[in-house]
Amino acid sequence: AQTVTQSQPEMSVQEAETVTLSCTYDTSENNYYLFWYKQPPSRQMILVIRQEAYKQQNATENRFSVNFQKAAKSFSLKISDSQLGDTAMYFCAFPSQTYKYIFGTGTRLKVLA
Amino acid sequence: NAGVTQTPKFRVLKTGQSMTLLCAQDMNHEYMYWYRQDPGMGLRLIHYSVGEGTTAKGEVPDGYNVSRLKKQNFLLGLESAAPSQTSVYFCASRFSELPYNEQFFGPGTRLTVL
Repeated sequence: AQTVTQSQPEMSVQEAETVTLSCTYDTSENNYYLFWYKQPPSRQMILVIRQEAYKQQNATENRFSVNFQKAAKSFSLKISDSQLGDTAMYFCAFPSQTYKYIFGTGTRLKVLA
Repeated sequence: NAGVTQTPKFRVLKTGQSMTLLCAQDMNHEYMYWYRQDPGMGLRLIHYSVGEGTTAKGEVPDGYNVSRLKKQNFLLGLESAAPSQTSVYFCASRFSELPYNEQFFGPGTRLTVL
């Protein structure tokens, strides 16, 4: 069965510091993508970053980057120079070939002033 | 583009009442999804659709029905609401099944069943 696990229910980080959110997954597929979504207090889910499994280079979007380790099936999100606006729930997601997305249970991140 | 919109944003029902949640997208997406979000459980898929006129069950379909009569709309119905259906409901859409296509989400509907 395909699964996505986020083992950190809550985390906090000081403003301007760096934080890493963990995600592990399990799949037998060879070519796939992985996503991180952000859900701020407003509830609107937005895409943060995506990673293609075939690409060895880790994806980067401004202050957000991933550490993708395919063999270990690990897909962590690093947020650099954390800002108050980064306070949100973060979900790791895996779109399976059965048309569905599989989401982790989320990590609630609080950025402290 | 409005993206994905949901109606209503909030609703309070009494046990046994019925209601329909409307999801609309203006991006010409084939795939549409209904999720519920409960504390500590992430997003759970209720039903989904891979095109106009099609629907399929997700992981928690009991107590819900859906219809996709038009490509841009995906309706979620509760025939007889129960307190266990108190949740935040999200609609999402996606252009195709290709793995790099992300899902676009609506703003959510907070439903309380008394």
